[in-house]
Amino acid sequence: QVQLQESGPGLVKPSETLSVTCTVSGASISRGDYYWNWIRQPAGKGLEWIGRSDTRGSTKYNPSLKSRATVLVDTSKNQFSLRLSSVTAADTAVYYCARDPGYCGGDCYDFWGQGTLVIVSS
Amino acid sequence: QSALTQPASVSGSPGQSITISCTGTSSDIGGYNFVSWYQRHPGKAPKLMIYDVSSRPSGVSNRFSGSKSGNTASLTISGLQAEDEADYCCSSYTSTSTYILFGGGTKLTVL
Repeated sequence: QVQLQESGPGLVKPSETLSVTCTVSGASISRGDYYWNWIRQPAGKGLEWIGRSDTRGSTKYNPSLKSRATVLVDTSKNQFSLRLSSVTAADTAVYYCARDPGYCGGDCYDFWGQGTLVIVSS
Repeated sequence: QSALTQPASVSGSPGQSITISCTGTSSDIGGYNFVSWYQRHPGKAPKLMIYDVSSRPSGVSNRFSGSKSGNTASLTISGLQAEDEADYCCSSYTSTSTYILFGGGTKLTVL
């Protein structure tokens, strides 16, 4: 069974860079035509898709983040990560990693992590 | 405010059927058959229940079904069970640059 687990700093200062990592177990991240995604949910709000990458480095991002997001896949560690620069309090959210299996006509996410809370505060 | 509109809550008794709606626009739900539904239990990873409007992933009970009419997609759960109590969230591809939209989620209470 594929499992995803997020890990992150918990607390980040405004204007700094947020970094969270997703460790994939139960399957090799480099096998299959999957997209590896980050999605977040601020308190009291709905989910927001952040961006994705495949293992070849093909990426796509939500333009609302104004080019602050970077998704990287590290096949040697079976992990992928999100870096979000110049954070503000509005970036405080639970961050989820998720796999797009590639069989949906649009995008869908068949495996998710449980989420990690990142608070932006000085 | 979420991009896709869902009711905040629905409820039903065991054995009954309920339907959760998800309303968008012609740029997303109305224009494409790319709606997904997720089940979210507190503290657990979300679970994909429906994709491409009405397809079920392997292992998902056939008590769960999806449909779409115009700009509104629907998730129907028949034969309600206590374990179905959870939050349900829809998502859709959008032709805008945002690419993927989510609903705000609907809390299902099994009475």
